[in-house]
Amino acid sequence: LAKTTQPISMDSYEGQEVNITCSHNNIATNDYITWYQQFPSQGPRFIIQGYKTKVTNEVASLFIPADRKSSTLSLPRVSLSDTAVYYCLVVAPDAGGTSYGKLTFGQGTILTVHP
Amino acid sequence: EAGVTQFPSHSVIEKGQTVTLRCDPISGHDNLYWYRRVMGKEIKFLLHFVKESKQDESGMPNNRFLAERTGGTYSTLKVQPAELEDSGVYFCASSQTLDPPVGQYFGPGTRLTVT
Repeated sequence: LAKTTQPISMDSYEGQEVNITCSHNNIATNDYITWYQQFPSQGPRFIIQGYKTKVTNEVASLFIPADRKSSTLSLPRVSLSDTAVYYCLVVAPDAGGTSYGKLTFGQGTILTVHP
Repeated sequence: EAGVTQFPSHSVIEKGQTVTLRCDPISGHDNLYWYRRVMGKEIKFLLHFVKESKQDESGMPNNRFLAERTGGTYSTLKVQPAELEDSGVYFCASSQTLDPPVGQYFGPGTRLTVT
């Protein structure tokens, strides 16, 4: 399973764009890249997922270069409520290759948004 | 649409006692997962159900943990007998079965304290 590496913490200010980069050098062909957000005393919340190039939804954008060895989560114009832990995960097929199952969480990036 | 619910939200038991955690997934989600975070550690996968079948239970720590999903709806996770190191937050998540994979929806967690 591909190991992910991301910064332990980041600071930003309201209204700024925040980019969190994650490396996953050993990503396999059938793996997907997914990002989750977690607030204190809550379960993780799915943000975005991609395979290659760029994916955008109402919350964030995900940039994945051609070699897929890294990815960047972009949060446009953050607010105080975006202060949370952000996890980068690589989702791999299960042993049988028939479905995608467990998520392997790392330490995540603690994003703090200041006024 | 109702989200993933977990009961109880908090449980305090003595070492040697039994505790049963319950998870109600989002209606129609065949996949149900259990994770836990022990103090100061990362969120760890426990097991994955597809409907009522255990697809992957590689993360179950030992035979004191028993998970069931009768009828493919809600799931229970029983810890018997509980040990001090079982303390932590137990998360349940559910998802649809799609390829490419989709995000998992997490519940708020059950905080288990074993004294």
